[in-house]
Amino acid sequence: DAKTTQPPSMDCAEGRAANLPCNHSTISGNEYVYWYRQIHSQGPQYIIHGLKNNETNEMASLIITEDRKSSTLILPHATLRDTAVYYCIGSPQGGSEKLVFGKGTKLTVNP
Amino acid sequence: DTAVSQTPKYLVTQMGNDKSIKCEQNLGHDTMYWYKQDSKKFLKIMFSYNNKELIINETVPNRFSPKSPDKAHLNLHINSLELGDSAVYFCASSQAWSRRNNEQFFGPGTRLTVL
Repeated sequence: DAKTTQPPSMDCAEGRAANLPCNHSTISGNEYVYWYRQIHSQGPQYIIHGLKNNETNEMASLIITEDRKSSTLILPHATLRDTAVYYCIGSPQGGSEKLVFGKGTKLTVNP
Repeated sequence: DTAVSQTPKYLVTQMGNDKSIKCEQNLGHDTMYWYKQDSKKFLKIMFSYNNKELIINETVPNRFSPKSPDKAHLNLHINSLELGDSAVYFCASSQAWSRRNNEQFFGPGTRLTVL
């Protein structure tokens, strides 16, 4: 599993875009980049994933560099409810692979 | 219409006891997992079942025994509970491994406290 590196914490103002970086320089060609988040006392929640193209869904956008060594999760208009720990995970293609969670980034959205 | 449910939500018990945590998913998924989140908030995989067959078994003491009576259920039985077993246990499910997406759906967690 690819080892990922994320800043331990970040702050963002409510209504502004939150840009969460992730370094995954050892990611292999068949590993997708997944983003999950865990709101306090809840189970982790899937956000988005991608292989090499940028991806967007109703929750966020994922920008992956061309060399695939890093990515950025973008929450376009952060709300207080987006305060959570965000995990960047490298995972092989497939639906039964374990997720290896790191320490993640604690994002605090401030009013 | 809960997707992944766990019971109980809280479990407080004495050392040496045997306890079970139940998990059910109504998403029609083929694969289910158990994760453990310790006091330092590290979330680690314990087991994974695909179509009732064990496919992932991390280094977990033999006191932990998962049981999958059918695809929709994966229960976790723990024998001779120890203080170090205190943690939050999360159940999750996903589609079969042959698909491209490894989106896992997590339950709300069971907070186990061993006294």
